[in-house]
Order: sequence, then structure tokens, then C-alpha cells
Amino acid sequence: DAGVIQSPRHEVTEMGQEVTLRCKPISGHDYLFWYRQTMMRGLELLIYFNNNVPIDDSGMPEDRFSAKMPNASFSTLKIQPSEPRDSAVYFCASSPGDFGAEAFFGQGTRLTVV
Amino acid sequence: DAKTTQPPSMDCAEGRAANLPCNHSTISGNEYVYWYRQIHSQGPQYIIHGLKNNETNEMASLIITEDRKSSTLILPHATLRDTAVYYCIVRVSGNTGKLIFGQGTTLQVKP
Repeated sequence: DAGVIQSPRHEVTEMGQEVTLRCKPISGHDYLFWYRQTMMRGLELLIYFNNNVPIDDSGMPEDRFSAKMPNASFSTLKIQPSEPRDSAVYFCASSPGDFGAEAFFGQGTRLTVV
Repeated sequence: DAKTTQPPSMDCAEGRAANLPCNHSTISGNEYVYWYRQIHSQGPQYIIHGLKNNETNEMASLIITEDRKSSTLILPHATLRDTAVYYCIVRVSGNTGKLIFGQGTTLQVKP
């Protein structure tokens, strides 16, 4: 398996534009996580899914952020409209359903909103 | 939720053992201790995890105290490539999926 795949690796967009980040988890993994990382706040859990169902979205900063997982092999994180303070590295991770299992992270998407 | 406390930074000489401490005094009986690391510009990487017993794999050893209130990650022969931020995480009680990262320890391995 190629691991968790995120696209794009880099995204530069203008304030007010819609941004969509994509993630393909490892096949067979039941959990999918979206994290955001900034220098100020570190790694923050935004939302996670179990078997394609959102379980906890309490980390989503505001209504401008939304995440979907239409099937077991694909998830998106959308920001609409984007703002400069959304600039960060966004990571996607997946893990099997066993308690104690490790999570595998993608390489991240570096988002810059100008 | 159990929280963890780690020193913000540590240095280690190349070839020597790196011992990274973590306090988790409020850990519950069914919560695991996980260690991840993040090398600059990469996604976090799983290292090891344990519940009660000490654990060892090809990357590191994990020593958990008998009262489970603290643990130590040991890199037996640190190399320059081990320079990274190391995160000690306690899995959120009652939830099989959630991983909450703290600020971690920045380990600098020096030649």
C-alpha cells in the first residue's frame, strides 16, 4: 500500500476563495483523521471519521470548515471562504479499528491563503 | 482526558542513548501510552505504544513505571536522523480513535 495520500501537497489561494483538500486513506482502515498544524497551536485534531461517519467534529474551527467522507477510500476537507489565518499544514491520517492500533499520517498539504 | 507533560527540548550526542521522559499522572487504567515523532516537514510517524509492560521494537524501547504515571522513550543509539519532535500521547478514555497531540519534546542529536 502507498500509505495515506494527500493532495495537493501545496496550495496557494487568495482570501475568499474555496479550498478543497483531499485524502485517500490506507485500504482497510476504519478511522480517518484531519489535523491542522501551525507554529502557534501545534497539531490540532479537527475531525475524525469511523467507517465513513463523522464521530467528533468539535475541533473544526468554524462553519467555514466542512469535511466529508463519501466512501471508505476518499475524504475531503473544504474551507469556504478561506482566510489568511487558515494558512497551515493540514494532515490526514488513518488507522485500523483495533484499540491500540497506530495511526499513519500523510505528508500533509501546506495551505497558504494570501 | 489524561494529559501529558514533556520537556520542551533535549540534546543528545550521536551514538548515545536518548531518554525522553513523559508524565501522565492522570492516566486511566485502560489508556495506552503512544509515542510519535515528527521530522521536519513530514507527517507524524508512529514509534511505539504500551499499556502496562515495557515494550521494545526496532525503533525504540518504552519503559512505563509501575504506577503508570510516567514513561520514558529510549532511542538506544541516536543518529542525526533521529532529530525530531517527539510526542507522548495518551489515548482518550472511552474512545478508540482519538489522538490528541501536545507540544512534544524537540530532540536535537548532535555530532
